[in-house]
Amino acid sequence: NAGVMQNPRHLVRRRGQEARLRCSPMKGHSHVYWYRQLPEEGLKFMVYLQKENIIDESGMPKERFSAEFPKEGPSILRIQQVVRGDSAAYFCASSVQNPFDGNQPQHFGDGTRLSIL
Amino acid sequence: GDSVTQMEGPVTLSEEAFLTINCTYTATGYPSLFWYVQYPGEGLQLLLKATKADDKGSNKGFEATYRKETTSFHLEKGSVQVSDSAVYFCALKRRALTFGSGTRLQVQP
Repeated sequence: NAGVMQNPRHLVRRRGQEARLRCSPMKGHSHVYWYRQLPEEGLKFMVYLQKENIIDESGMPKERFSAEFPKEGPSILRIQQVVRGDSAAYFCASSVQNPFDGNQPQHFGDGTRLSIL
Repeated sequence: GDSVTQMEGPVTLSEEAFLTINCTYTATGYPSLFWYVQYPGEGLQLLLKATKADDKGSNKGFEATYRKETTSFHLEKGSVQVSDSAVYFCALKRRALTFGSGTRLQVQP
């Protein structure tokens, strides 16, 4: 029973390029969350999606960042025209349903480490 | 808004020592509370949780009690091992998780 799968594990981009991060939730999970972890800091919520819908994007930067979770395939976090400050670890988590239910924990992937040259 | 405050690290202990990592939160109502552990180069693993006041979460010798009166959820373990060396995150949950900044634990043999 595979857990949350993220790829790539490491991604290197030059300033101005695009970065695409992928997340396949656990089997049976229809809720996906993206978090960003800057060096030596905790994780910060970015966006919460269900299939084909963005539910909460209050943590997403207003420009250059977008996320989707299509009916088929993984969730994608896309960063356009990357800058040095985008260097971070990006984690995806998934849950079964009812995100307000404390008994439904979020399961995390191993993250994508994005480095901007 | 919601926030979580953890004691700063690193916390350095000898093997078999007693561990406490303090965590307090600010939130309206009664969110669920969690401790996650992150080993180097890996994602977060759920360590334990508590969903209402006075609940005690426990796992692998770690414990934490949801204290409404002090808005705290301190992590404790009676006897740490070298393999417990990791970063520990306290978090509260509404729809998404709000994390503390993490506490690095280093256990020396």
